[in-house]
Amino acid sequence: DVKVTQSSRYLVKRTGEKVFLECVQDMDHENMFWYRQDPGLGLRLIYFSYDVKMKEKGDIPEGYSVSREKKERFSLILESASTNQTSMYLCASNNPGGVPLSYEQYFGPGTRLTVT
Amino acid sequence: KQEVTQIPAALSVPEGENLVLNCSFTDSAIYNLQWFRQDPGKGLTSLLLIQSSQREQTSGRLNASLDKSSGRSTLYIAASQPGDSATYLCAGITQGGSEKLVFGKGTKLTVNP
Repeated sequence: DVKVTQSSRYLVKRTGEKVFLECVQDMDHENMFWYRQDPGLGLRLIYFSYDVKMKEKGDIPEGYSVSREKKERFSLILESASTNQTSMYLCASNNPGGVPLSYEQYFGPGTRLTVT
Repeated sequence: KQEVTQIPAALSVPEGENLVLNCSFTDSAIYNLQWFRQDPGKGLTSLLLIQSSQREQTSGRLNASLDKSSGRSTLYIAASQPGDSATYLCAGITQGGSEKLVFGKGTKLTVNP
């Protein structure tokens, strides 16, 4: 079974704190993604990584950074959390270079972050 | 910029009914398309993937089709059950674009016993 895990299901942080969200996949996937999901706005891509130490901005990268030091792990960092970053954060991975060449994405369970 | 529209936004049906969820893309050059299910407060579960060489996929009571010429996809659910209640999202990758999925906002389905 493919598996994407996220470090926390629920997280409460204070404004100005540095926040780390961790994602681990056990499928040896090359690509990993971070999304946020908000009511009425749907899923929006924050950052993605197509290889270790490689990253590319998504649609809403402002206020976020990422780190990918190992292939299986992709971290999302909120340098100074703000209340407008309260959201559901979803991690995903896929392997376009594999078989089948499908781009099928697999998602983690999500982290509900509240910034007060 | 690719945009995805899902119609209807919400749907309530009695148990046992067959139903269709719709998804359309502003750019019809879709490389592949994925349908997901999301339960409240949870992550996304992949239901069906239609690859570039395919026109439809089936899994149990679910059937998804893709009409590339019009940029439209449908998800057909046969003999709906209360356990099918969830939000259904479609997402696609555009030909010639990056490997990023573009998502619709979902259809919230309620199946009443």
